[in-house]
Amino acid sequence: DAGVTQSPTHLIKTRGQQVTLRCSPKSGHDTVSWYQQALGQGPQFIFQYYEEEERQRGNFPDRFSGHQFPNYSSELNVNALLLGDSALYLCASSWGALGSEQYFGPGTRLTVT
Amino acid sequence: GNSVTQMEGPVTLSEEAFLTINCTYTATGYPSLFWYVQYPGEGLQLLLKATKADDKGSNKGFEATYRKETTSFHLEKGSVQVSDSAVYFCALSAYSGNTPLVFGKGTRLSVIA
Repeated sequence: DAGVTQSPTHLIKTRGQQVTLRCSPKSGHDTVSWYQQALGQGPQFIFQYYEEEERQRGNFPDRFSGHQFPNYSSELNVNALLLGDSALYLCASSWGALGSEQYFGPGTRLTVT
Repeated sequence: GNSVTQMEGPVTLSEEAFLTINCTYTATGYPSLFWYVQYPGEGLQLLLKATKADDKGSNKGFEATYRKETTSFHLEKGSVQVSDSAVYFCALSAYSGNTPLVFGKGTRLSVIA
């Protein structure tokens, strides 16, 4: 049973560029949440996708956007990258809109120079 | 808003020592509480959880009790091992496991032989 997978593992981008991160949920899960973990900090919730729609959103600017595909996989897009966007981006999957434990992937390490 | 405060690290212990990592929370209603562990270079793994007052979560020798009167969820282990070296995060979700998680900043534990 494959767990949550994310790609790429590492990424280096330049300020002002755009980036796309990808996540495949655990088998049987239909909900994907994205978190940003800055160095030395706890993860912060970006947004959650369920039934291909953004259901909940944290305190992140519109430069952060996402998408969920019919197979439940998801993408996180960040436009106009800033140095402060350098972080570990974690994807978590779960089942249903409520009441299910979240399983985390290994993350994508984004470095903005 | 909801928040989690946990003791700052790093915490360094000798093998077989007793571990306590303090965690307190602020939340409206009746949140669910979690401890996650992050090993070097990996994503988050759920260590244990409790969904209502006085519940005790336990796993791999770790325990934590949901104390509503003190708004606390302290993590304990009677005898730590070198393999327990990791970063530990306390977290809450407002209603259930599938709502956005709010994390503390994490506590780094190093266990020396």
